[in-house]
Amino acid sequence: NAGVTQTPKFRILKIGQSMTLQCAQDMNHNYMYWYRQDPGMGLKLIYYSVGAGITDKGEVPNGYNVSRSTTEDFPLRLELAAPSQTSVYFCASRPTGGKENTEAFFGQGTRLTVV
Amino acid sequence: GESVGLHLPTLSVQEGDNSIINCAYSNSASDYFIWYKQESGKGPQFIIDIRSNMDKRQGQRVTVLLNKTVKHLSLQIAATQPGDSAVYFCAEKANNDMRFGAGTRLTVKP
Repeated sequence: NAGVTQTPKFRILKIGQSMTLQCAQDMNHNYMYWYRQDPGMGLKLIYYSVGAGITDKGEVPNGYNVSRSTTEDFPLRLELAAPSQTSVYFCASRPTGGKENTEAFFGQGTRLTVV
Repeated sequence: GESVGLHLPTLSVQEGDNSIINCAYSNSASDYFIWYKQESGKGPQFIIDIRSNMDKRQGQRVTVLLNKTVKHLSLQIAATQPGDSAVYFCAEKANNDMRFGAGTRLTVKP
């Protein structure tokens, strides 16, 4: 299994440009998350999803949009890139089931620079 | 708003010593607390979790303690090794979301 795959790994955007960060998981997990991590800081929750067709805002959703049309994919959209969105973005997934499971599996991250 | 936080940003220990990483939380509605390890250039990796109705949980070389009276969480690493050098995050799960604290950088000196 590939686990959680994020693309691209690196990207430089100009102010005002838009892009979609891709995230795919092959573990049939219901829960998926997007976090951003600024240098030397912790992870801030942007959006999350508990299943296909359902998304919810996290701590820092402004400037981002998400969709969850399938269980496998959870893309993150930046419509008008701003320098404040320069960060490393991590996608994660977590299984659900009869027994509570808190282990989230993370992708390798997308390093985004907005200039 | 309520958040997860950490007492110390950095911790340096001698190889072979025990390490203790602390975390304060304020959301009493969280049902699980989790510790993650992040090595340079990688995504966080799950270490251990503890349910909110427990006080202690042990894993391989790690122990997590939960003190609900003072809303404090700690991760103890026994016989710290160079491979333990990383940033450690505590996280809390309340309902469906999972939120992280700022992290502590652990450096192991040979």
